[in-house]
Amino acid sequence: RKEVEQDPGPFNVPEGATVAFNCTYSNSASQSFFWYRQDCRKEPKLLMSVYSSGNEDGRFTAQLNRASQYISLLIRDSKLSDSATYLCVVTQRTDSWGKFQFGAGTQVVVTP
Amino acid sequence: DTAVSQTPKYLVTQMGNDKSIKCEQNLGHDTMYWYKQDSKKFLKIMFSYNNKELIINETVPNRFSPKSPDKAHLNLHINSLELGDSAVYFCASSHRGTSGGRETQYFGPGTRLLVL
Repeated sequence: RKEVEQDPGPFNVPEGATVAFNCTYSNSASQSFFWYRQDCRKEPKLLMSVYSSGNEDGRFTAQLNRASQYISLLIRDSKLSDSATYLCVVTQRTDSWGKFQFGAGTQVVVTP
Repeated sequence: DTAVSQTPKYLVTQMGNDKSIKCEQNLGHDTMYWYKQDSKKFLKIMFSYNNKELIINETVPNRFSPKSPDKAHLNLHINSLELGDSAVYFCASSHRGTSGGRETQYFGPGTRLLVL
């Protein structure tokens, strides 16, 4: 079983609609959580960190459920420019240096 | 003003050749990384250096050898290239300090390696 798993999608979303997707992680000792965004043939870029109490950044809302070991990302009022692959990232502190574990990504396609 | 730069952007080479990829960051970060992203888009860490010291060395063939001449540079040398090495290689950097895994990673644009 992969340490970080995501539904690859694609999630086809009409412009203006809401889309949400999850990411599950296997290590209960996981420490920090992030969502990165990767456009086609580009590098990943940080979208937002995920805090225990949940957090919002404009149209984006991230949640963490430690009991069920998943994080979620919700995008409201989707824009065409939101089309991308969203990577879930989890860090674990198995030694002095936490490693970043990336999921394979969820593809979102926003259509006019 | 590229924060993390990699050269070359594209690399097409024959099996058995030796090649190097260079990475530089001008963010003043103390930690640098090499990742491999395969055709399934899975991004997997290969190596990490903190202040020029190797801190993460995943299960990677020893044909791959990283070198960090200083904190701003992390190069990757690959010997005897194989077909399975074809992938996109991303360099990244972060300021780890005492944040221990909570910091943001900044990625370079990637090097697309194709081994024929």
